[in-house]
Amino acid sequence: GAVVSQHPSWVICKSGTSVKIECRSLDFQATTMFWYRQFPKQSLMLMATSNEGSKATYEQGVEKDKFLINHASLTLSTLTVTSAHPEDSSFYICTYLKTGTTEAFFGQGTRLTVV
Amino acid sequence: TQLLEQSPQFLSIQEGENLTVYCNSSSVFSSLQWYRQEPGEGPVLLVTVVTGGEVKKLKRLTFQFGDARKDSSLHITAAQPGDTGLYLCAGAGNYGQNFVFGPGTRLSVLP
Repeated sequence: GAVVSQHPSWVICKSGTSVKIECRSLDFQATTMFWYRQFPKQSLMLMATSNEGSKATYEQGVEKDKFLINHASLTLSTLTVTSAHPEDSSFYICTYLKTGTTEAFFGQGTRLTVV
Repeated sequence: TQLLEQSPQFLSIQEGENLTVYCNSSSVFSSLQWYRQEPGEGPVLLVTVVTGGEVKKLKRLTFQFGDARKDSSLHITAAQPGDTGLYLCAGAGNYGQNFVFGPGTRLSVLP
């Protein structure tokens, strides 16, 4: 159990376009979820924390207008990278905190390359 | 804000050696988790410890939660190349608030 599905697994887009990443918890519900960004050979960098039905809380230095988070239900969340630039190229990972527990379950990650 | 530190940051060892990775904080956590991440994939949960002093074993991996629930260790016996990856600890307060990850320990086991 506790499967998180993240799509797409990789995407290449042109500079200036927008990319939507979808994250679903398949067999459990989660009130809280996190979006992370990871650069090569580095640890996870928290971008934002989101509670279902509420606006996301962004970490310092992360532009909320550039990284749009929609957490409309207990099982689905999306991250949209708007007007992507090459410096946005990274590995993006969604994480669900299973309701009633302190265990986090990760999506498979999305490798974004902006050319 | 609760912070977690991990040491060492990088570790490169030969196959068959033992190693210990540490996760430390000045804050008390209600639970602590260890994750392992392989390149190009999301982290995978290895274990959750919730009781001070708790020891859990997962094959060659031994996890311990400090008595004061501020620190944890991961010990790997007879490391294998397949153990290579990024090991992350994460701590949480009650009901999952203040969920925070450590910076990770990047382990490389050479054949």
